[in-house]
Amino acid sequence: DAGVTQSPTHLIKTRGQQVTLRCSPKSGHDTVSWYQQALGQGPQFIFQYYEEEERQRGNFPDRFSGHQFPNYSSELNVNALLLGDSALYLCASSLFGGQREAFFGQGTRLTVV
Amino acid sequence: AQKITQTQPGMFVQEKEAVTLDCTYDTSDQSYGLFWYKQPSSGEMIFLIYQGSYDEQNATEGRYSLNFQKARKSANLVISASQLGDSAMYFCAMREPRGSTGFQKLVFGTGTRLLVSP
Repeated sequence: DAGVTQSPTHLIKTRGQQVTLRCSPKSGHDTVSWYQQALGQGPQFIFQYYEEEERQRGNFPDRFSGHQFPNYSSELNVNALLLGDSALYLCASSLFGGQREAFFGQGTRLTVV
Repeated sequence: AQKITQTQPGMFVQEKEAVTLDCTYDTSDQSYGLFWYKQPSSGEMIFLIYQGSYDEQNATEGRYSLNFQKARKSANLVISASQLGDSAMYFCAMREPRGSTGFQKLVFGTGTRLLVSP
């Protein structure tokens, strides 16, 4: 049973560029959440997708957008990259209505230069 | 708003000894969930243990146990018989109660780096 998979694992982009990160949830899970983890910090919630719609959003600007596909996989897009967007981006999958743990992928480490 | 506080930036323990990682939380809600995750240098967040606010017994998962003291709003992680592979960052997190949207998110602390020495 495959867990949560994210691609790519590492990425280097230049300021002002756009980036797309991808996530495939754990089999049977229908909800995908994205988190940003800056160096030395805990993860911060970006947004959450269910039934192909954004359901909840954290305190992130509109430069951060996402999408969920019918197969539950998801993309995170960041436009007009800033140096401060350099971070580990984590995808978590869960089952809507579930009470217990969310399963995380290994993350995508984004470096903006 | 919910808040998680981990006051220990780093902890050292010798192999085979037990270690306690501290976590306190702040919430006005009655229904919530508390989690501990392990994050090795590879980056993946690995689920360790869960405690629901209405659970009467402290959660245990193998060598991990959660010392849940509701009145003190603390949820400390105890790792027994530490192993070298336990060296990692450890995060305490709280699941916010289900709001009107029906959706929830996790709020994380800043983490504790655990180093296990031979």
